[in-house]
Amino acid sequence: DQQVKQNSPSLSVQEGRISILNCDYTNSMFDYFLWYKKYPAEGPTFLISISSIKDKNEDGRFTVFLNKSAKHLSLHIVPSQPGDSAVYFCAASGNSGGSNYKLTFGKGTLLTVNP
Amino acid sequence: ETGVTQTPRHLVMGMTNKKSLKCEQHLGHNAMYWYKQSAKKPLELMFVYSLEERVENNSVPSRFSPECPNSSHLFLHLHTLQPEDSALYLCASSQENTGELFFGEGSRLTVL
Repeated sequence: DQQVKQNSPSLSVQEGRISILNCDYTNSMFDYFLWYKKYPAEGPTFLISISSIKDKNEDGRFTVFLNKSAKHLSLHIVPSQPGDSAVYFCAASGNSGGSNYKLTFGKGTLLTVNP
Repeated sequence: ETGVTQTPRHLVMGMTNKKSLKCEQHLGHNAMYWYKQSAKKPLELMFVYSLEERVENNSVPSRFSPECPNSSHLFLHLHTLQPEDSALYLCASSQENTGELFFGEGSRLTVL
């Protein structure tokens, strides 16, 4: 049973518009969430994280929102750029990142930003 | 070199072969991981080494055998694999008590 779900395998947006990537989780013990980005032929790279004590974390064009009651988080990219085209993985852990070896990943969403 | 490097990047092997994947991290981290990424599946944690001690073995078949000789190097020894073991094998490292994994580029394994 998947504990971290990314229900949209792909998303296509126009350059300059907002990209919204969604992630749902089922384990109420998760309290630390991360987004990773992966280009073809490269390993995933860390993008942004959020702890359950917050509901929003912003870093430049990237903002992650957490709705604990809905067990839902989302990644907003605005404005989207063609270089953002990649697979985005949502991940979660249950010890504020301290036991990060317990990261549980979603299947990923392929984002395509069209010029 | 910087970051996490994996060799080989591509490997094709028969079911009776023995091969090894190598990972090296230059970040001074004290934890290293092997993940498996199969098509249309989430990243699956295989093994975790913390301070060179294996702390996690996620029900991985014995035909996969990890080795961590020091905090900078991690190996995955492969023997008598099955075609369904074909996947991208990703190595990662982290500093314990942080939530951020640094991944290598992966080793694409094909078992014939």
